[in-house]
Amino acid sequence: AQSVSQHNHHVILSEAASLELGCNYSYGGTVNLFWYVQYPGQHLQLLLKYFSGDPLVKGIKGFEAEFIKSKFSFNLRKPSVQWSDTAEYFCAAISSGSARQLTFGSGTQLTVLP
Amino acid sequence: DTGVSQNPRHKITKRGQNVTFRCDPISEHNRLYWYRQTLGQGPEFLTYFQNEAQLEKSRLLSDRFSAERPKGSFSTLEIQRTEQGDSAMYLCASSSWGTSGGAGDEQFFGPGTRLTVL
Repeated sequence: AQSVSQHNHHVILSEAASLELGCNYSYGGTVNLFWYVQYPGQHLQLLLKYFSGDPLVKGIKGFEAEFIKSKFSFNLRKPSVQWSDTAEYFCAAISSGSARQLTFGSGTQLTVLP
Repeated sequence: DTGVSQNPRHKITKRGQNVTFRCDPISEHNRLYWYRQTLGQGPEFLTYFQNEAQLEKSRLLSDRFSAERPKGSFSTLEIQRTEQGDSAMYLCASSSWGTSGGAGDEQFFGPGTRLTVL
């Protein structure tokens, strides 16, 4: 069965610290990968996405993610977090089939201390 | 605001009552998705439409749930005989599948409808 795993449920960092959130997927065939963010009181927004090509993907607000096919991973990184990055982060995947529904991980709550 | 809108934002109901939620997608989007999110979990797929056709339903969508998109624009999700286990955030998303080309169309999410079943 298709699945997405996020192993860090809650991460607490100080401002200016580096961030890496783990995401592993279990899919057969071609997969498209996404990171979504949900700021407090707001709806899900797309941070970045990977379809094909360069495995290092850059998104909004200084975030990037690296697709490592051999490890079935798509970890999210940011070199220096800010207090405003406090939010819940979701990794998601779509298989290459026609349905196109997203399968989400359980999310990681990031708290950045000022 | 040209994003995805959902109404109502909050709904409190008693067990056994029927509820209906509405989603208005981004106007040029031909695909519309419904997801459900419970506390501490990521959203789970329920069903999706391409234009007015409902193309797939998750096994999470019991026979008490029904969704429609009669004119290929807005959609409604109805839950009959609500149960306490139906309490969740119901999310709607839309995308322009096919028109944007290639695989991996981006889904734009609405703010959700939070359902509480007492």
